[in-house]
Amino acid sequence: NAGVTQTPKFQVLKTGQSMTLQCAQDMNHNSMYWYRQDPGMGLRLIYYSASEGTTDKGEVPNGYNVSRLNKREFSLRLESAAPSQTSVYFCASSGLQWEGAPADTQYFGPGTRLTVL
Amino acid sequence: LAKTTQPISMDSYEGQEVNITCSHNNIATNDYITWYQQFPSQGPRFIIQGYKTKVTNEVASLFIPADRKSSTLSLPRVSLSDTAVYYCLVGDRRGGGFKTIFGAGTRLFVKA
Repeated sequence: NAGVTQTPKFQVLKTGQSMTLQCAQDMNHNSMYWYRQDPGMGLRLIYYSASEGTTDKGEVPNGYNVSRLNKREFSLRLESAAPSQTSVYFCASSGLQWEGAPADTQYFGPGTRLTVL
Repeated sequence: LAKTTQPISMDSYEGQEVNITCSHNNIATNDYITWYQQFPSQGPRFIIQGYKTKVTNEVASLFIPADRKSSTLSLPRVSLSDTAVYYCLVGDRRGGGFKTIFGAGTRLFVKA
C-alpha cells in the first residue's frame, strides 16, 4: 500500500509556463483534495473532488484547474504559472480509517515543492 | 462551514503534558472534530477524532465539552519529537468531499 503518491517532488518553472501535478491513491477512497501551503502558513484548499466525475472549488481556486481522471487519480494544472503560486502542494484523499469509523480522515501525500521564477 | 481558532504557538518541556484548545463556535450537529499533526516538509497526519466527551488513543486524548464549541487535544509527556504543527478541523461525518479549512494551526515547540 503506497497510500497517496505525488509527482514530481520538486519543480522550478518560469513565469507563464504550464505544468500538471499528478496525484494517485491506492486506498479506494472516493474523495480527493489539493492544498497549497505557503511558508509558515497553514494549508489552503484549492479544489476537491467528492467522487469520481465531480470537482468543486475550495478557498483559492484561481489560476488552477483539476481533473479527476478516475477514482485513483486527481491532477492539478497550472496553465500560466505566476510567482505567487510558489508553494508546497499537497494532495490528499479521505476515507474511513477503520471499518465503522464515524467520520472520514484525510491521508496526505509527501508534497510537491514548486518554485515559480 | 465551521471555522476553528487555535493559539498560534506554544512552548513546552520534555515530559510535560501539553493541552491545545481549539474553538469552533459554529460547529454543526453532524460535524466531527479531527486533529492532525504536521512535521516540517511532510503532509499532515491524523492524530485523533471525536464527537463528544472524551476520546483516547495511544498517542493523545481529546476532550470535548457538552456544548461542543471547543475541544482540547492533550499530549501526555511530550518529547522533542512532538515538535510540530497541530491542526484542528471540524467536518461532516462521512462521504468526504467536504470543504475543509485547516487554518494556521498551533506550532508546538518542545524544549529539552
